[in-house]
Amino acid sequence: QQNVQQSPESLIVPEGARTSLNCTFSDSASQYFWWYRQHSGKAPKALMSIFSNGEKEEGRFTIHLNKASLHFSLHIRDSQPSDSALYLCAVLNYGGSGNKLIFGTGTLLSVKP
Amino acid sequence: GGIITQTPKFLIGQEGQKLTLKCQQNFNHDTMYWYRQDSGKGLRLIYYSITENDLQKGDLSEGYDASREKKSSFSLTVTSAQKNEMAVFLCASSIGQGNTEVFFGKGTRLTVV
Repeated sequence: QQNVQQSPESLIVPEGARTSLNCTFSDSASQYFWWYRQHSGKAPKALMSIFSNGEKEEGRFTIHLNKASLHFSLHIRDSQPSDSALYLCAVLNYGGSGNKLIFGTGTLLSVKP
Repeated sequence: GGIITQTPKFLIGQEGQKLTLKCQQNFNHDTMYWYRQDSGKGLRLIYYSITENDLQKGDLSEGYDASREKKSSFSLTVTSAQKNEMAVFLCASSIGQGNTEVFFGKGTRLTVV
């Protein structure tokens, strides 16, 4: 059974800082890896995804994936107050009865002006 | 673009009561999901469905039933509401099964009195 954990649970950073969020998973056969962002009172929305080892950059956001160490991360360059939100990682498990998207425990980020 | 509509937005029920939450999507997506989110935490998968009339259990299915009678709709029933399951229930859909972006509704907030 897939276990997806995030760290830290919460984080406060100053505006302009580089922020790093971590996600570990337990199933080495996992295929797709996502980061979602949920602003307070809103629905979660996809930020970025990756499916092969390495790094992917989109604007101020970068994902790193290391399948061998069962770990992927999200890095935010020049953090802005508008980045304050709950960040959720998600991992896709392929299965015979359909594929499950399993979410992590969440990291609450607060960026202070 | 499409939209996912969840009804009702707020649901108050009595302990032990059977309660039904509804979800409609007009994306024409094959896969639909029900997740539960406890206050400020991650998402836990209750049920998902990869096509009309298909149902797959998630990790939190005990105490819940689901129904996918049409491609566009997916309902969730709390079979006997308990005070410890006050949470936001999020419906979602995707074209694929986790390898494509999952879109979320705005949620139904359940309170059990």
